[in-house]
Amino acid sequence: GENVEQHPSTLSVQEGDSAVIKCTYSDSASNYFPWYKQELGKRPQLIIDIRSNVGEKKDQRIAVTLNKTAKHFSLHITETQPEDSAVYFCAGHGYGNKLVFGAGTILRVKS
Amino acid sequence: EAQVTQNPRYLITVTGKKLTVTCSQNMNHEYMSWYRQDPGLGLRQIYYSMNVEVTDKGDVPEGYKVSRKEKRNFPLILESPSPNQTSLYFCASSFFAPYNEQFFGPGTRLTVL
Repeated sequence: GENVEQHPSTLSVQEGDSAVIKCTYSDSASNYFPWYKQELGKRPQLIIDIRSNVGEKKDQRIAVTLNKTAKHFSLHITETQPEDSAVYFCAGHGYGNKLVFGAGTILRVKS
Repeated sequence: EAQVTQNPRYLITVTGKKLTVTCSQNMNHEYMSWYRQDPGLGLRQIYYSMNVEVTDKGDVPEGYKVSRKEKRNFPLILESPSPNQTSLYFCASSFFAPYNEQFFGPGTRLTVL
């Protein structure tokens, strides 16, 4: 079945810098890769997703890139702000109709 | 307001005492799912349902049961809870299958003593 690995587990950046979180997946048939943000004490919320027929997708300061050959995808946040501090989860659509999440990355933006 | 609700939000119980966590959505979503969140392990899928009367195991189904008798409701049942089921539980729903935005409930913090 699908296995999703996420790195790093924690990431500290200075306000205004960029942050990059990387995920790898195992199932070459996976075709949907969402990213969720979870603020402290709150529920996860979708921030961006990408499907396998697209290599890159942007939404303001957030972008996701997908490399199907290497089976990895990354979240890029530019001009980070304190409100970007949260836990970020990547996920892959696994075998059948499962959704498999990575272990999460704690992002701290220092002001 | 479109939402996913869960009850209870917090629960402390003892080993072996059956419990049910309810989940309800008002968005007419077909796909519903239960996850548990543990530090360092992310969100792990317990069970999911593609539609009424259609349920299937996720990656960590042992010790849990679910049912989907109505489209809007997807309760999680722990027949005989054990301390290793102490966790934060999230219900989620999406319009169709997992390759659409998952809308998460507020979470249920369960402690099994």
